[in-house]
Amino acid sequence: GAVVSQHPSWVICKSGTSVKIECRSLDFQATTMFWYRQFPKQSLMLMATSNEGSKATYEQGVEKDKFLINHASLTLSTLTVTSAHPEDSSFYICSRQGPYEQYFGPGTRLTVT
Amino acid sequence: GQQVMQIPQYQHVQEGEDFTTYCNSSTTLSNIQWYKQRPGGHPVFLIQLVKSGEVKKQKRLTFQFGEAKKNSSLHITATQTTDVGTYFCAASNDYKLSFGAGTTVTVRA
Repeated sequence: GAVVSQHPSWVICKSGTSVKIECRSLDFQATTMFWYRQFPKQSLMLMATSNEGSKATYEQGVEKDKFLINHASLTLSTLTVTSAHPEDSSFYICSRQGPYEQYFGPGTRLTVT
Repeated sequence: GQQVMQIPQYQHVQEGEDFTTYCNSSTTLSNIQWYKQRPGGHPVFLIQLVKSGEVKKQKRLTFQFGEAKKNSSLHITATQTTDVGTYFCAASNDYKLSFGAGTTVTVRA
């Protein structure tokens, strides 16, 4: 069964609004989770590493003030896309680390109109 | 992160035929992982290769890690419609994954 869940699975929002995406580790207390973004027909790009109880680590080129990450508990990480614009429309996927592989959530498809 | 190049980007295969997707890096990799993403879905782990020259098989899928640990390949024999999807290689470094561009496979029945 699924070990990582995401909510919502899809969301449509208006330009300028903020959207929060939840990622839950269902079977394991995860001190670290990862957030990826995938544009249509493209690969997954790591956005940031979410660390429980401390600040997230962002990859180069990712605006930390635009993509707010909170990892307040060992089972929940959230990604908030602030002041969303159409170019932020994408598939956002979170993951948690397994023994050596990563387990991915089902993803959230964000459309900004 | 480590850059991995993957070819081909698209693979159109007749059902029953074989195909191979290749992954290359300019630097030595500590390991390489392969994932499959079905259309509209999320990546699902297939395998990890760690040792130089390693070869692993999963039914019709054969995974190989080069001797220099700079390249890897996935070979699928007797392609079936269930093989449709995008296959990604990914280099792991401190648990961070750097994905290749992926090979999107379509199958002609």
